[in-house]
Amino acid sequence: GAGVSQTPSNKVTEKGKYVELRCDPISGHTALYWYRQSLGQGPEFLIYFQGTGAADDSGLPNDRFFAVRPEGSVSTLKIQRTERGDSAVYLCASSLMAPTDTQYFGPGTRLTVL
Amino acid sequence: GIQVEQSPPDLILQEGANSTLRCNFSDSVNNLQWFHQNPWGQLINLFYIPSGTKQNGRLSATTVATERYSLLYISSSQTTDSGVYFCAVVSSDYKLSFGAGTTVTVRA
Repeated sequence: GAGVSQTPSNKVTEKGKYVELRCDPISGHTALYWYRQSLGQGPEFLIYFQGTGAADDSGLPNDRFFAVRPEGSVSTLKIQRTERGDSAVYLCASSLMAPTDTQYFGPGTRLTVL
Repeated sequence: GIQVEQSPPDLILQEGANSTLRCNFSDSVNNLQWFHQNPWGQLINLFYIPSGTKQNGRLSATTVATERYSLLYISSSQTTDSGVYFCAVVSSDYKLSFGAGTTVTVRA
């Protein structure tokens, strides 16, 4: 079946602008995750959804970052007033039910803030 | 949170060679996954292995949960094995925590 998909694959924006990144998980997966990967580092956890609700958002760096999953499937990561330090690859993953299940990753969105 | 250490940080191999990558973690885990990140950035699942031993073709992995480490073995390496290998674990905080990775370069 189809894997995790993310759009756009690349996003270039200017400092101060608002961006939205989309994730479409594997069909039937109730758990969805967002991670951020900076150059030369491993991915870092941002937020975990169980169904429609954010079960753990402790990894979001500040209140400029927000994510939603209104129908328990597609999720959108929203970044307000982007800063150059937000430049990174944003990865989405999904698993069947819980973080202890195998997590499958999408191809990522490369965000560049000029 | 849990600490995940991978070694070595870099590995250069001649095609056909065998190698072992190590992952140490600082607490008990409920999930351990090995990934290969290809040059295009895609994280490819290799193993889900919170304990025990698994094999998939030229790759195999062993996790000794009681001693808090996991090993990834690559046999008869090929140039397509090049990339970054990540170990990631889920502990009591239910977050997948990644190590810094091992960068593998296989030369023809």
